[in-house]
This record gives sequence, C-alpha cells and structure tokens, in this order.
Amino acid sequence: DTEVTQTPKHLVMGMTNKKSLKCEQHMGHRAMYWYKQKAKKPPELMFVYSYEKLSINESVPSRFSPECPNSSLLNLHLHALQPEDSALYLCASSQDEQGVYEQYFGPGTRLTVT
Amino acid sequence: GQNIDQPTEMTATEGAIVQINCTYQTSGFNGLFWYQQHAGEAPTFLSYNVLDGLEEKGRFSSFLSRSKGYSYLLLKELQMKDSASYLCAVVADRGSTLGRLYFGRGTQLTVWP
Repeated sequence: DTEVTQTPKHLVMGMTNKKSLKCEQHMGHRAMYWYKQKAKKPPELMFVYSYEKLSINESVPSRFSPECPNSSLLNLHLHALQPEDSALYLCASSQDEQGVYEQYFGPGTRLTVT
Repeated sequence: GQNIDQPTEMTATEGAIVQINCTYQTSGFNGLFWYQQHAGEAPTFLSYNVLDGLEEKGRFSSFLSRSKGYSYLLLKELQMKDSASYLCAVVADRGSTLGRLYFGRGTQLTVWP
C-alpha cells in the first residue's frame, strides 16, 4: 500500500465555521507534512511532523492547527478562516524527514472559504 | 534564502523530446527531486538525484550537476498524457531546515498532437 488518503475531497466552509481535514497513511512512514497549494503555484510547506512530534511550523496563522494522533494519522483543524485561505491542501508522508526519501502526496482537499 | 528557478511554460509535440531545466541556489543541498502534477491532482514522484550524473528511468531521465547548481528532466517519446506541471524540488540540509523541500514554481508542459 503506497497510498496517502485525504478526506474530504472538497470542503466549503464559512468564515465562522470549524472543520477538520484528515490524512492517513499505512506505509510506516514517520514523517508527515501539510502543504497549501494555490492555482498554478508550487506547494507551500505548512507543517512537518516527525515521529508524531511537530518539527516544523512555517509561521502558519493560528487559525490552522495541526494534530498527529498517531503515526498513521494527521489532522488539520480549521477555525475562523479567511477567503484567501481557499486552496488545495495536500498531505504527504515520507520514511523520515531527512529528505532522502520521496514524499508521497495524497490527492488533496479542495477548500473554499466563503 | 533559497532560490529554485525553472521555466514557467514549455510546449512540444507528440513523439518529441523535451528538456526541462532547473537551477538552484540554496544554503545547503541534500538532493533534488522531480515531481509531476496533473491539474487538480497530487504531485507524483519522478526522480531523485543526489550525486552528479544522469539517472534514467524509462522515458524519463534526470541529470544533476552540483557544482553548477543545475538539473534537468528529459522526457522522450512524448505522449499527450505527459501534459502536466513538472516541479523541481531541492532538499536543504542545514540545521532546522533538514530535509525540507524547496519547490520551484513548476513548469507547465503542453504536448500537442
């Protein structure tokens, strides 16, 4: 199984809503990542978890809150988002965060904030 | 800062060969990845280079010159399904950025019949 799954595929939320994005992998990978991608732009790193601990936070606003309940799951909790947060949110995993192993990306969640 | 540069767009015809270049200036280097991304889909891994030279994998090859801060992705026998964005990404290896991927802006390749 070389798949990273993400739910939901699409999400529309208002600026006062609270929602969560979910990501799962069963490859035994110990590093997991959240990226944000706007149209025709490369993915921008948001967070990195290594061995279930947050190791990188790219100065992401606190309205995005990551959580890693176990080595297979990664969540992104969303609260009080802005319309400019509308984007494709990608989850990825790799064997570890040393960078010599490829990152496997999930299909993404297309988020629209109204 | 980290600087990864690649052309924004390229076009080619079916059956042709195309070379997508990537130049980089980073504070550290621990390898370079190429990813393919079709519109609305996730990036998929194509290749990884950490030593100088050419890596061949079927129709796709990737080359790296560390001294020149340069890589290219070579696509042969182009097919319509190769129309996609091709992302060059460099792995940094300094301090807290260990393992972090720095992406170029992506090269949108369009293959015409």
